[in-house]
Amino acid sequence: QKEVEQNSGPLSVPEGAIASLNCTYSDRGSQSFFWYRQYSGKSPELIMFIYSNGDKEDGRFTAQLNKASQYVSLLIRDSQPSDSATYLCAVKTTRGGKLIFGQGTELSVKP
Amino acid sequence: DAGVTQSPTHLIKTRGQQVTLRCSPKSGHDTVSWYQQALGQGPQFIFQYYEEEERQRGNFPDRFSGHQFPNYSSELNVNALLLGDSALYLCASSLAEGPNTGELFFGEGSRLTVL
Repeated sequence: QKEVEQNSGPLSVPEGAIASLNCTYSDRGSQSFFWYRQYSGKSPELIMFIYSNGDKEDGRFTAQLNKASQYVSLLIRDSQPSDSATYLCAVKTTRGGKLIFGQGTELSVKP
Repeated sequence: DAGVTQSPTHLIKTRGQQVTLRCSPKSGHDTVSWYQQALGQGPQFIFQYYEEEERQRGNFPDRFSGHQFPNYSSELNVNALLLGDSALYLCASSLAEGPNTGELFFGEGSRLTVL
């Protein structure tokens, strides 16, 4: 079992729709969860982090965390073509605190 | 405020050669992590340096080694290059302590091609 797993996609949504990106993790003791966005040919950039169960909203982005299910998600409301990128889920592990990334989900927002 | 800088941006090597990649962390950051990202994959953790010591290591062979200098900059060395080492090598800096530990700031990466 991979430490962090994401739907590989690609995920295609129309402009204005809600994009839902999912991630599961294996280390039950993990406490910190991050979503990074990576445009093609660029380096990852942090979008959001979440530490507590429930929802955390930042503009059009909402991160959701369910530690009991070892599941974290990212919702993008009113998706824009500029949101087209690969979204990386990352989990800070209890073993030394290194940040482990999933394989990424490619999102395409069609005008 | 300078972000994370990496050099070189692109390089081509042949099998068996050695390569050194360099990274300067974001101002104020004391921890440097290195990741390998193959095409279409997520970044794979290589190792992390703090206080000039390797603090964590991923599942990479000993051919991969590193160093951190007193000014927090870091180097990644790869010996006996294999074709499979071709990838984007990302350096990320962060703070070891404080409320925002784990938030990584990435450089633009060094694209290594092994022929």
